[in-house]
Amino acid sequence: QMQLQESGPGLVKPSETLSLTCSVSGGSLSSHYWGWIRQPPGKGLEWIGYIFYNGDTKYNPSLESRVSLSIDTSKSQFSLKVQSVTAADTAVYYCARIPPYCGGDCYFDLWGRGTLVTVSS
Amino acid sequence: DIVMTQSPDSLAVPLGERATIDCKSSQSVLFSSNNKNYLAWYQQKPGQPPKLLISWASTRESGVPDRFSGSGSGTDFTLTISSLQAEDVAVYYCQQYDNIPWTFGQGTTVEIK
Repeated sequence: QMQLQESGPGLVKPSETLSLTCSVSGGSLSSHYWGWIRQPPGKGLEWIGYIFYNGDTKYNPSLESRVSLSIDTSKSQFSLKVQSVTAADTAVYYCARIPPYCGGDCYFDLWGRGTLVTVSS
Repeated sequence: DIVMTQSPDSLAVPLGERATIDCKSSQSVLFSSNNKNYLAWYQQKPGQPPKLLISWASTRESGVPDRFSGSGSGTDFTLTISSLQAEDVAVYYCQQYDNIPWTFGQGTTVEIK
């Protein structure tokens, strides 16, 4: 049974870079697309972007100038970086799996438990 | 961006009764070449991540109780819980994955009346 687990600092200072990693266990990163979604406290869901195991990426245009995704199949991990953060980036960040047969445009069929990142000085 | 609008924002339904949530997209999410609606439904309970219930507007995920069903096409979709159970108390979201950026509805809170 594949599982996803987010990790990274829970507190980031304004203007700095938020960095999170999603560790995948119980399966291979190959053949899947992998995504990030965030949810500000008490609010709805926002798609951040996704990455394929070969490194191909797609980003939400509203975040594209500040966001980068990377993947390390040897470590079964993929990562998110958000530059120049503000209080508006405070959210629970989820990593999630996209089914392999969709070719990218798809839903999320498995989610990590999420990690709260607070942007504050 | 495709705007997803859910209604109502919240509803309270007696145990065993039907709950219906609507989701409307600002443009069609029906892909004509394969006749598939790029629309998913998720359930989120407090303190938990969203859980996929329905994909392609009407395909129930393995293990999801059959009291959950999805319907609709084009721009108008519905999630129906045929007989509400206590464990169904949650926030429900629709999501379109037809166009980048993928977008979610604002969520509908379902409670027991």
